[in-house]
Formats: sequence, structure tokens, C-alpha cells
Amino acid sequence: ETGVTQTPRHLVMGMTNKKSLKCEQHLGHNAMYWYKQSAKKPLELMFVYNFKEQTENNSVPSRFSPECPNSSHLFLHLHTLQPEDSALYLCASSQDLGGGAVETQYFGPGTRLLVL
Amino acid sequence: GQNIDQPTEMTATEGAIVQINCTYQTSGFNGLFWYQQHAGEAPTFLSYNVLDGLEEKGRFSSFLSRSKGYSYLLLKELQMKDSASYLCAVIDSNYQLIWGAGTKLIIKP
Repeated sequence: ETGVTQTPRHLVMGMTNKKSLKCEQHLGHNAMYWYKQSAKKPLELMFVYNFKEQTENNSVPSRFSPECPNSSHLFLHLHTLQPEDSALYLCASSQDLGGGAVETQYFGPGTRLLVL
Repeated sequence: GQNIDQPTEMTATEGAIVQINCTYQTSGFNGLFWYQQHAGEAPTFLSYNVLDGLEEKGRFSSFLSRSKGYSYLLLKELQMKDSASYLCAVIDSNYQLIWGAGTKLIIKP
């Protein structure tokens, strides 16, 4: 399944580093999502984009900065992270944004991030 | 608040049947998803239920009771490759997805 790809798959960074996560979807979808997945916790929705416009920011700290240049690509820029930010970061896409209809989300394999 | 409850971990034997339960309390209901996630991989869509009853897809079935706020995923003829986490997610009245923490299923030979 290569509908949604993410790079890198693993990332180790120090608290003073700046890095970026990349997501690309090949499904022709209009909506894209960033999630944080921590062990034994529910998926936490971070950001939502619809037609490359941000529609949701769930009180995410400013050290996480999303960018969506077009409907197929989504980035998450990271700077001055904390050790508690270590987690699996998942990207997902759906045909459209909910808003009155049920949309199935398709996920990428995630980036496993470790902040030292 | 909104809440999804699933067991943290379950163990079952190859060839057997296992039922993974999910209970929910949400503001409204527009359907329930089950996803499968193998370790280090993407969650993949398994099923979507919006009406009461049982939906069967091969070895996997999903059941929903809206009045009880309850769903289960039934896996038959378990195979080693079914070892994974199973995520339950409910769509609330605002069409937001509310996720459970997932159930890690361990299959033993």
C-alpha cells in the first residue's frame, strides 16, 4: 500500500535541532491530517488541511509548524522540541473533509521521532 | 467529555476466535470505524458501521449497538499475521473522529 508515504521513517533529534517531516498522498484526496500517536494513548489530531488551507489546529505548541503547499503534500516542521514530543507522527488523507459526511481516512506508515 | 474504551491488550490462540470490544460515550454518533495497525506500520481501514447489527467481511466481522454505545470486532480462524493493534474510532455529531487507545492483540501458536 503506497497511497500515503511519509519520510523519514525514523528520526532522532536534539532539542535544539530543526527538522521537517514530509507526507505525500497519491490518492487524489483533498484533505490531509497530522496525528501524534503515543504508546497506549488515543491518536491525537494535530492539524487538518482542506484544499491546502488549514482548517484545524488543536492547541498544538508553536514548536510544531505545518505547511501544505498543495493537496498532495504536507510537511511538519519541528524546532526546539521536548523529550515528551517523542512519538509516532502519522499523516492521513481523505477524499474531502467531514463537515456533514463520513470520510474514511487513509494513513501513512508514520515517522518514529525520538527527541533527546 | 467524549470517551472511547477498549481493552489494552488481549491474547488468543492461532485458529481460535477473538472478540475485541469497544464502548463509547460521545456527543452524537455518525458511525464507528475499526482500523488495524501492525507494529511500525500505517493504520489500515477494516470496517465502518453506522446501523445496528453485524457486518461480515471474510474472517472479520463488526457489530454495532447504538442504544448500548457498544461495538465489537470479531476475528475468526486467527492467523499469526492478525497480531496487531486494533483501533476503534467514533464519528461524533460534528463529524470529528474520536479515537480509542487501541487494543494490542497477541496471537500465540
